Amino acid sequence: KNQVEQSPQSLIILEGKNCTLQCNYTVSPFSNLRWYKQDTGRGPVSLTIMTFSENTKSNGRYTATLDADTKQSSLHITASQLSDSASYICVVSGEYGNKLVFGAGTILRVKS
Amino acid sequence: SQTIHQWPATLVQPVGSPLSLECTVEGTSNPNLYWYRQAAGRGLQLLFYSVGIGQISSEVPQNLSASRPQDRQFILSSKKLLLSDSGFYLCAWSVQLGSYNEQFFGPGTRLTVL
Repeated sequence: KNQVEQSPQSLIILEGKNCTLQCNYTVSPFSNLRWYKQDTGRGPVSLTIMTFSENTKSNGRYTATLDADTKQSSLHITASQLSDSASYICVVSGEYGNKLVFGAGTILRVKS
Repeated sequence: SQTIHQWPATLVQPVGSPLSLECTVEGTSNPNLYWYRQAAGRGLQLLFYSVGIGQISSEVPQNLSASRPQDRQFILSSKKLLLSDSGFYLCAWSVQLGSYNEQFFGPGTRLTVL
């Protein structure tokens, strides 16, 4: 069964600290993996997309890694800001990108 | 630039009443369109997707239906709402970018069925 599991379910960190969110998937065949940021009550916004051949991609303070052999990905946030408080969703595409398998998300709260 | 609109933003409806949620996309032609539902603590669930006018694929059996009367308009409907239809509904459109298909989400509609 195609699944995407994310951990932790929720996380609270102090402003300025770093954090890493985890994503494990069983989707096969694999096309690409995406990380989205979703603010409360809003639609998800794409942070990064990685294909099979990419093992790291950065977008500002966000750095995603991908290990296609172990089917794991991580999202590292550097020097967190209050505006980073959101749900971070890992999404895996197994079929030309039209059908996506979504993780339940990690809820991050950054406090001052 | 492309934009995607959804309305209404929030909706409270009684059980058994009809539903119509609308999604429109601007700045692109012949997009793939999608309806998702997001329940609290759960991942997004794909409900319907459309590759063209009048072409609708349903992913899960349910109380909802979708229609695409125009190229950039996607409508989610129900004749009689159930309590279990409550949730956050997201419309998305996609475009092929190189080797992958990028999806862009609308702002969502929060539906509460009482």
